[in-house]
Amino acid sequence: DADVTQTPRNRITKTGKRIMLECSQTKGHDRMYWYRQDPGLGLQLIYYSFDVKDINKGEISDGYSVSRQAQAKFSLSLESAIPNQTALYFCATSGPSGANEQFFGPGTRLTVL
Amino acid sequence: SQQGEEDPQALSIQEGENATMNCSYKTSINNLQWYRQNSGRGLVHLILIRSNEREKHSGRLRVTLDTSKKSSSLLITASRAADTASYFCATAPYSSASKIIFGSGTRLSIRP
Repeated sequence: DADVTQTPRNRITKTGKRIMLECSQTKGHDRMYWYRQDPGLGLQLIYYSFDVKDINKGEISDGYSVSRQAQAKFSLSLESAIPNQTALYFCATSGPSGANEQFFGPGTRLTVL
Repeated sequence: SQQGEEDPQALSIQEGENATMNCSYKTSINNLQWYRQNSGRGLVHLILIRSNEREKHSGRLRVTLDTSKKSSSLLITASRAADTASYFCATAPYSSASKIIFGSGTRLSIRP
């Protein structure tokens, strides 16, 4: 089984809808991250969490919120989706230091019409 | 804003040739990492080089780091069709050891 899983893998939704993307990990890592990738570009950090009670904004947090339900689960929500949030979304985990290598999920392709 | 800038943005070479990708960054770093991404998939960690290291090898991969020039290079020797992917550098800044910052990537295509 994959160490970092994301659901759904693909989602098409309409402008104004609330969307939740879920991430689960079995690596036992405390640190989890949500990234966004636009076509042909690198990854931009949306939110990151060091443990269940620690949530931090990344570079592009506006329009997004997160919930760390447990050490193994980190969810990303789009409260009211808009077309320019159409992108690939990746969850990642890392060991004790954020400077360690990160382990990525397979991604969720989100399309907002 | 992205700290790392890869060069070139796209590279197409013949199978068997060597591929070299470069990364430049702006601020002092703790380490620099290279990741690979197959089309539409998650990133996979390739190699990490610390700020006090100058060169590192892993199989057909060779990474160099020049902190005075704030640059790194990734060399893939004897390329194979399966090496076709995007390659990203990511820096762990001293100022924020809690996260890494990705560059925009190099798209590598290997022609059979």
